[in-house]
Amino acid sequence: AQKITQTQPGMFVQEKEAVTLDCTYDTSDPSYGLFWYKQPSSGEMIFLIYQGSYDQQNATEGRYSLNFQKARKSANLVISASQLGDSAMYFCAMREHNAGKSTFGDGTTLTVKP
Amino acid sequence: SAVISQKPSRDICQRGTSLTIQCQVDSQVTMMFWYRQQPGQSLTLIATANQGSEATYESGFVIDKFPISRPNLTFSTLTVSNMSPEDSSIYLCSVQGAPEETQYFGPGTRLLVL
Repeated sequence: AQKITQTQPGMFVQEKEAVTLDCTYDTSDPSYGLFWYKQPSSGEMIFLIYQGSYDQQNATEGRYSLNFQKARKSANLVISASQLGDSAMYFCAMREHNAGKSTFGDGTTLTVKP
Repeated sequence: SAVISQKPSRDICQRGTSLTIQCQVDSQVTMMFWYRQQPGQSLTLIATANQGSEATYESGFVIDKFPISRPNLTFSTLTVSNMSPEDSSIYLCSVQGAPEETQYFGPGTRLLVL
């Protein structure tokens, strides 16, 4: 069964600094994908970044990068040069290739301080 | 990426009534998902809706309470029936083109049941 764990209910970061949001997962399927989404107070779910289980390199998208450590089953999101607009809830998700549906973590609320 | 719209964006309903939420995608997609997000919580999958077949419901969700239609590859509806205050949530439509593809979300429907 799929399982996603986000151990940080809330995080604070100073504007312009980098922050790491933790995510660990558990699966027995060798083929899976890991995703991060941002949910601002407006409620929409915004896709940020994707990492495939067979990808050799860590995914990057602008200021977002995914620190993928397969042996540790972790997929931490790193946000560089934080901005006030980064304040939101962040969800880690995993989809096993055979399952077809995603499992979401409980989320981390990030607050960027000016 | 897919562009997804949902109607209504928000509604306030009386207990005992029903509300139908529409989800429209700008491209044909294989898999559509309906999620519920209760205040301050993560996303919970209600059901998976594939065109041409009955929706597959997750544990704790039944068709009588959450009937779903999927008449074509770009449209789906979710009905929340016989509503109670416990149904107050954000309801999110989500689509995925293929198992290896990213899952995208609609803007959500904020429902308040009085």
